[in-house]
This record gives sequence, C-alpha cells and structure tokens, in this order.
Amino acid sequence: EDQVTQSPEALRLQEGESSSLNCSYTVSGLRGLFWYRQDPGKGPEFLFTLYSAGEEKEKERLKATLTKKESFLHITAPKPEDSATYLCAALFNTGNQFYFGTGTSLTVIP
Amino acid sequence: NAGVMQNPRHLVRRRGQEARLRCSPMKGHSHVYWYRQLPEEGLKFMVYLQKENIIDESGMPKERFSAEFPKEGPSILRIQQVVRGDSAAYFCASTAGYRKETQYFGPGTRLLVL
Repeated sequence: EDQVTQSPEALRLQEGESSSLNCSYTVSGLRGLFWYRQDPGKGPEFLFTLYSAGEEKEKERLKATLTKKESFLHITAPKPEDSATYLCAALFNTGNQFYFGTGTSLTVIP
Repeated sequence: NAGVMQNPRHLVRRRGQEARLRCSPMKGHSHVYWYRQLPEEGLKFMVYLQKENIIDESGMPKERFSAEFPKEGPSILRIQQVVRGDSAAYFCASTAGYRKETQYFGPGTRLLVL
C-alpha cells in the first residue's frame, strides 16, 4: 500500500498560470512532510519541511501547506524555470524511512 | 562546495561484476540514507546509516547488497554480482543527526548493467 500519493502525475501550465500540486499520505502519526524539486539528471533539491496541520511555508513563487491528510504545493505565476519534477516525502513517528511519492512533472510553457 | 558528493556519477558494469558507490555527506552531517530510483518510479528507501552503525536496512534487498559508513571516509553501497535489474540511479542523502529530518541529496550515481 502506497504511503504517499502525488497528483497529478504531469501538469502543463502556461507561464503565469497558477496551480497546485497535491500530496496525500495514508498513515497517521506524521512527523514531517517534505517537498523537493528534482531536475533531470540531478538529485532532489530540498524546498520545504512542514510539521503540523495549518502550517505554511513560502519561497519565491512556491507555497506549501499542510492539512491532516495532505499537503499542497501552490505555484503562483510560474515561469519556465519552474519546470521540474516536484517530489513530496513523509516521515512518520513509527519509523526511520522517508516515503516518497512518484512526483509531479511540471512543465511551464512560455 | 560543502554539499553531498557521490562518485562515480556514472558506472557501467557487466552482469556478475561488483559495483561500489560512494557518498560523502555534507560537512557536519553524521547520518546517511541510500535510495534507488527507477525510471517513472519514486525514490525507494534502501538503508539508513550513521558512522559505524546501520540504523535501518529494511529497504535493502537481502542478497548481494550491503552498505557501510566507516568512522573515516565515505559511505559505500556495494552491489555484488550485478544483474540488469540493478540498473538505476542511486542517491544518497545526509542529515545532521538521528531523526534530523531535513535531508540533503547528492547528484546520484547512474548504474548501467550490460
């Protein structure tokens, strides 16, 4: 059973067209929810950590939010350089593993 | 650059050979995770180590795979008698301590088994 599910799998946006990526998790006892950006051929780059429902973090055009069952990565007025795969991961109180979703591949068209 | 370093970046092996992947954590970090990433799949946890100790190896295949993080030197992921199914990108990530959550990833090693 997948612990972390991301949707959509792929997203194409026009430059300036805001949208949201979803990350849902199926296990209770969340210790932390993490967002990463991964460019082709590179390792994931850390973006945000969220710990509790209601928490929000922002960085440039990105804002991450967390509820009890899911997290959203909001992208406001995206630019072509925001094109990448966005990964979320969850760490639970019960163990040491980080569970990664399969990512959302974002393409921003000029 | 004090980031996580991995080498080699690309590794080609023939079936039956051994592959050794190295990971040097960020300066000041004492814990290392190893992950495998297959095309169109997410990162899959393999093993979690601190220096001279394996904390969690529940994601590691039972045979042919081993990992270590010695007191001195990089962490090493070793794959013996490689098979074509081992072809993947292998990433390591380091953290500042036990259950310190933020992981910083290296650039990965792309292993190709011929």
